[in-house]
Amino acid sequence: SQQGEEDPQALSIQEGENATMNCSYKTSINNLQWYRQNSGRGLVHLILIRSNEREKHSGRLRVTLDTSKKSSSLLITASRAADTASYFCATAQYDSWGKFQFGAGTQVVVTP
Amino acid sequence: NAGVTQTPKFRVLKTGQSMTLLCAQDMNHEYMYWYRQDPGMGLRLIHYSVGEGTTAKGEVPDGYNVSRLKKQNFLLGLESAAPSQTSVYFCASHRLGMNQPQHFGDGTRLSIL
Repeated sequence: SQQGEEDPQALSIQEGENATMNCSYKTSINNLQWYRQNSGRGLVHLILIRSNEREKHSGRLRVTLDTSKKSSSLLITASRAADTASYFCATAQYDSWGKFQFGAGTQVVVTP
Repeated sequence: NAGVTQTPKFRVLKTGQSMTLLCAQDMNHEYMYWYRQDPGMGLRLIHYSVGEGTTAKGEVPDGYNVSRLKKQNFLLGLESAAPSQTSVYFCASHRLGMNQPQHFGDGTRLSIL
């Protein structure tokens, strides 16, 4: 079973708009990571947030983590056509180190 | 640096054939992983390695074997390919430590007829 579940499955927005996607998980985690995958390519790491952190920023990306709700969100501000990709969350658990678990992803399409 | 390189990029096999997928990383990473990606299911962990000479099972290990004889290489073997193993296979690696990002290769697209 998948630990991380992204929501929504798909998102279509226009350039300049913000894109928000959510990730929920089931068991306690050590950290949660967000990745981007462009069509036909491997995953690229975007940002890592540790379990004792609540918010992190990287450029136009903002990630929040609520461990009480077992959820995280990724916000992309001022979207660009180049942000068109699938976005995945991945969790690392304390008791099963090495076994990252990925969600099914959110497919984001940004139209000019 | 090339990062994580997967060989081959594409392959078509017949049911029952065997093959080996190669993953090579030039970042001196301790941890290496093999995942498969199927439509709508995200990535599922097949096997992983926490160092040279060590391997461990992931979520979906059946039908696959792995070896890590050299630190920089992680091989994934299919002994008798089945149509259910048609997928895109990704290799990833990361440095020692609990809070390290994974670096991915660009995948191997494998079709089993």
